[in-house]
Amino acid sequence: DGGITQSPKYLFRKEGQNVTLSCEQNLNHDAMYWYRQDPGQGLRLIYYSQIVNDFQKGDIAEGYSVSREKKESFPLTVTSAQKNPTAFYLCASSMGQGFYHTEAFFGQGTRLTVV
Amino acid sequence: AQSVTQLDSQVPVFEEAPVELRCNYSSSVSVYLFWYVQYPNQGLQLLLKYLSGSTLVKGINGFEAEFNKSQTSFHLRKPSVHISDTAEYFCAVSDINTGKLIFGQGTTLQVKP
Repeated sequence: DGGITQSPKYLFRKEGQNVTLSCEQNLNHDAMYWYRQDPGQGLRLIYYSQIVNDFQKGDIAEGYSVSREKKESFPLTVTSAQKNPTAFYLCASSMGQGFYHTEAFFGQGTRLTVV
Repeated sequence: AQSVTQLDSQVPVFEEAPVELRCNYSSSVSVYLFWYVQYPNQGLQLLLKYLSGSTLVKGINGFEAEFNKSQTSFHLRKPSVHISDTAEYFCAVSDINTGKLIFGQGTTLQVKP
């Protein structure tokens, strides 16, 4: 079945450690996105990528990094510079050409907790 | 910059009553519009989308939305809700100038028996 897979579902991290969240899609989509979700704040865009080897900062990129070495993969690293990393992280991908993207498909999310 | 505003953070409604969840966006240029639903601890699922054509869009689970360009709105409606519709609903816009997919703050629909 085609889809978008995030792993792990739950992740615990000690303060000061970097951690990488995985996102893989087999939908052959060009665009991929990372969002952060906090209660009452909706989804905020961290990074997005329109094509392989290219990505742009979203609205809250500080303390995060990404790579897009393969079309199907868009891992997110939460660095120790992120002041408040505890949140629910959602990865998405969408079809389209250039900036004309239609619906996005979402993974099931990763809940990161800093302990 | 493009933005999306969902006018109600919570909407309580009784079962079988009609409901409208409101959404406004900021840009007057061409956009694609979406409504998504999220159940607890899950990802988002597409309810419906507007890309072009008819301004009344029908989606899954009996939901529909109307695109109003002059008012830059895309309100979601359902004539009769069920307990199972209790969830968080997000309005989103695809900004064709940047490629970003931008979401509103979300509206929690609480259906009461």
